[in-house]
Amino acid sequence: EPEVTQTPSHQVTQMGQEVILRCVPISNHLYFYWYRQILGQKVEFLVSFYNNEISEKSEIFDDQFSVERPDGSNFTLKIRSTKLEDSAMYFCASSGTGTEDLEQYFGPGTRLTVT
Amino acid sequence: RKEVEQDPGPFNVPEGATVAFNCTYSNSASQSFFWYRQDCRKEPKLLMSVYSSGNEDGRFTAQLNRASQYISLLIRDSKLSDSATYLCVVHAGNNRKLIWGLGTSLAVNP
Repeated sequence: EPEVTQTPSHQVTQMGQEVILRCVPISNHLYFYWYRQILGQKVEFLVSFYNNEISEKSEIFDDQFSVERPDGSNFTLKIRSTKLEDSAMYFCASSGTGTEDLEQYFGPGTRLTVT
Repeated sequence: RKEVEQDPGPFNVPEGATVAFNCTYSNSASQSFFWYRQDCRKEPKLLMSVYSSGNEDGRFTAQLNRASQYISLLIRDSKLSDSATYLCVVHAGNNRKLIWGLGTSLAVNP
């Protein structure tokens, strides 16, 4: 069964450093997403991406964040200058493009710890 | 009213019990609804989609009440492996953003 993969599983970084979180979506999906979940809190939408551009982003997704599809398989989330409050689980998800194809499938997540 | 609201629980039930979770949503334009399941420190996994008046998948039944803006999830014959957090998720409308509830925690006891 196809699945979304993410690397690394855990990233520890110092405040102010840049991090890149990587995702490989399901191969025939064309919509990609990043979500985050702070421990004990709900899942929060960050950004959706389609046809090589951002289709929607949340208030959380400020200038410190960027996304990229550098090749035909990877989808990355970059945080330029990490803050303590960026510590969270970051989930990548993907979905198909049909009008009824709204089901999103999630990767196992990257646990980001900012110290 | 919160965008998506769920009773956080926890629900503690014995094996074999039937348990039901409710969820309310605020955006009347929402068209698609989902139940995801999340185990501790794991990713959400799609359990069921609820596109119309409801649907059933084995021991799981989801219902949608558009007039009252709530959806429900019924689990029959609970198993120990059903212990998890159940997340109510609503499609926001004219885009692909999903709005998430905080989740309802279920513990099935032997």
